[in-house]
Amino acid sequence: QSVLTQPPSVSGAPGQRVTISCTGSSSNIGAGYDVHWYQRLPGTAPKLLIFANTNRPSGVPDRFSGSKSVTSASLAITGLQAEDEADYFCQSYDASLGGSIFGGGTKLTVL
Amino acid sequence: QLQLQESGPGLLKPSETLSLTCSVSGDSITRNNYYWGWIRQPPGKGLEWIGSLFYSGTTFYRQSLKSRVTISIDTSKNQFSLKLTSVTAADTAIYYCARSLGVWGDSYDYWGQGTLVTVSS
Repeated sequence: QSVLTQPPSVSGAPGQRVTISCTGSSSNIGAGYDVHWYQRLPGTAPKLLIFANTNRPSGVPDRFSGSKSVTSASLAITGLQAEDEADYFCQSYDASLGGSIFGGGTKLTVL
Repeated sequence: QLQLQESGPGLLKPSETLSLTCSVSGDSITRNNYYWGWIRQPPGKGLEWIGSLFYSGTTFYRQSLKSRVTISIDTSKNQFSLKLTSVTAADTAIYYCARSLGVWGDSYDYWGQGTLVTVSS
């Protein structure tokens, strides 16, 4: 059981908008720790998509955006494309565990 | 462009020691104050941070694995390594090496492709 909870799967048609949630608790996201998002295409290394809640590394399209609320965060993908079909993971830090924590991952299917 | 590549045995028996190496190319492992970490994903589960190392040798480990884990650095080969003793089936996972700016929830900006390690008798 992952400390951060993500939906196992989401789907959307090309061009649509999808969101992926990441729910934590008062010892991690709720304590103010940043949330980061990763994309893992089949058979490839995870790629940093969003860092520190809302920031995109150079080269990441602005179709990807992140937001953070009290004890949760969300990744939004607009203008869905077939190439977005991948696994998405969130990451934060947990003070009670004393280390980085990750979500269970969400598989995005582009219909 | 920084690249990380994991290597090591893919099949172990229970009670053996897991040894993996991460080879770093494209920059020096001792430059710019980065941390180098190991993360794994057991089948059907989420990612799990194992531990991280600063180029100076300072290490940080997941509490639940602390008694079995050692992460070390070989600056002459631009590599860092993971050793996990007394493995069980629960240690079966894809193991990734990755780089971060810190160990207190910092993001990992470069990852290896991962290597599958299976523990089975």
